[in-house]
Amino acid sequence: EPEVTQTPSHQVTQMGQEVILRCVPISNHLYFYWYRQILGQKVEFLVSFYNNEISEKSEIFDDQFSVERPDGSNFTLKIRSTKLEDSAMYFCASRLASSYEQYFGPGTRLTVT
Amino acid sequence: DQQVKQNSPSLSVQEGRISILNCDYTNSMFDYFLWYKKYPAEGPTFLISISSIKDKNEDGRFTVFLNKSAKHLSLHIVPSQPGDSAVYFCAASVTGANSKLTFGKGITLSVRP
Repeated sequence: EPEVTQTPSHQVTQMGQEVILRCVPISNHLYFYWYRQILGQKVEFLVSFYNNEISEKSEIFDDQFSVERPDGSNFTLKIRSTKLEDSAMYFCASRLASSYEQYFGPGTRLTVT
Repeated sequence: DQQVKQNSPSLSVQEGRISILNCDYTNSMFDYFLWYKKYPAEGPTFLISISSIKDKNEDGRFTVFLNKSAKHLSLHIVPSQPGDSAVYFCAASVTGANSKLTFGKGITLSVRP
């Protein structure tokens, strides 16, 4: 069964460093999302992406964040200058154009020290 | 901003009995609702969904009920099995191009053998 994959599973970085989180959505899906979950809190929407452009972003998704689909399979989230409060689980999700059910990857645990 | 509320943080049931997980929402624009199951260190796994044009959707042991007037939905698991022990998230969306998900805080279900 097709699934969303994410790499790395765990990323440790120092404050101020850039990180890139990678996702491979399910191959025939057209809508892509990033969510995050800070420990003990809700899963929160960050950004949605369709047709090679951002379709919606949350207040969290400020100028330090960017997304890209560099080729036909990868979908990346970049944080330019990480802060301590960026420490969280980051989930990628994707869905078909014909369905509203989103399928999530296993997540990347980002730890900023 | 608690648009989706799961007010009970945990539920414990005996194997073989029914588990009922509740969810309330405040945003009347939501028209599609989903339940996800999550194990530690994994991403949310889609379980079942319901559109606001329905009041019930069933898939095997899982049934979701929607009461639009009360802005309430519930997930019934019958019969409950020990492998159902996990965190269950209710999520809601406004259908359309983006359809970002708004999550509740989750309920930890424990099924006792």
